[in-house]
Amino acid sequence: DAKTTQPPSMDCAEGRAANLPCNHSTISGNEYVYWYRQIHSQGPQYIIHGLKNNETNEMASLIITEDRKSSTLILPHATLRDTAVYYCIVRRTGTASKLTFGTGTRLQVTL
Amino acid sequence: DADVTQTPRNRITKTGKRIMLECSQTKGHDRMYWYRQDPGLGLRLIYYSFDVKDINKGEISDGYSVSRQAQAKFSLSLESAIPNQTALYFCATSDRKFGQGVNYGYTFGSGTRLTVV
Repeated sequence: DAKTTQPPSMDCAEGRAANLPCNHSTISGNEYVYWYRQIHSQGPQYIIHGLKNNETNEMASLIITEDRKSSTLILPHATLRDTAVYYCIVRRTGTASKLTFGTGTRLQVTL
Repeated sequence: DADVTQTPRNRITKTGKRIMLECSQTKGHDRMYWYRQDPGLGLRLIYYSFDVKDINKGEISDGYSVSRQAQAKFSLSLESAIPNQTALYFCATSDRKFGQGVNYGYTFGSGTRLTVV
């Protein structure tokens, strides 16, 4: 599975959009981009995933560049409860693959 | 009730003791995983099981063993606990179709905080 690079930390004002970048320059054609978050010491929570196209759900939007070498997770209106560590994970399709977590981006949402 | 339940939530044990962490799930998923997390670090995979008869080592399996008693139950054992096994342990499940972009990935339990003194 391709490696990912994320900034170690970011700040965002409450109510503003939080844009979390992820670089995955070695991604291959059959690899998906997944985003999870971990609030404090709770179990990680699935947010969104995508292959090529941009995706949106009730939690966030995922923007994947045309060359697929990077992506951005967007929380449109960040709240204090969005303060967490966000993990970008690249994982190939196929039934034998597993999730490998890096150190993620610690997002701090402030008043 | 939680979809993935881990017991105990917290445990303090002495060096050399055997300890078992338990995980049960109501998701009906075939696949189960054990991860550990050390402070400031991401999660590392210890063991995983794709069905009841399948057990596989992850990246840090030394010092650990597992048992898949049923589809819904996956236990992690530390045969002789040592202080550097002090960590937060997570169990997770996924559907067999995960990896085909079909579903939402892994479901995690709330974790077991283990301290070995």
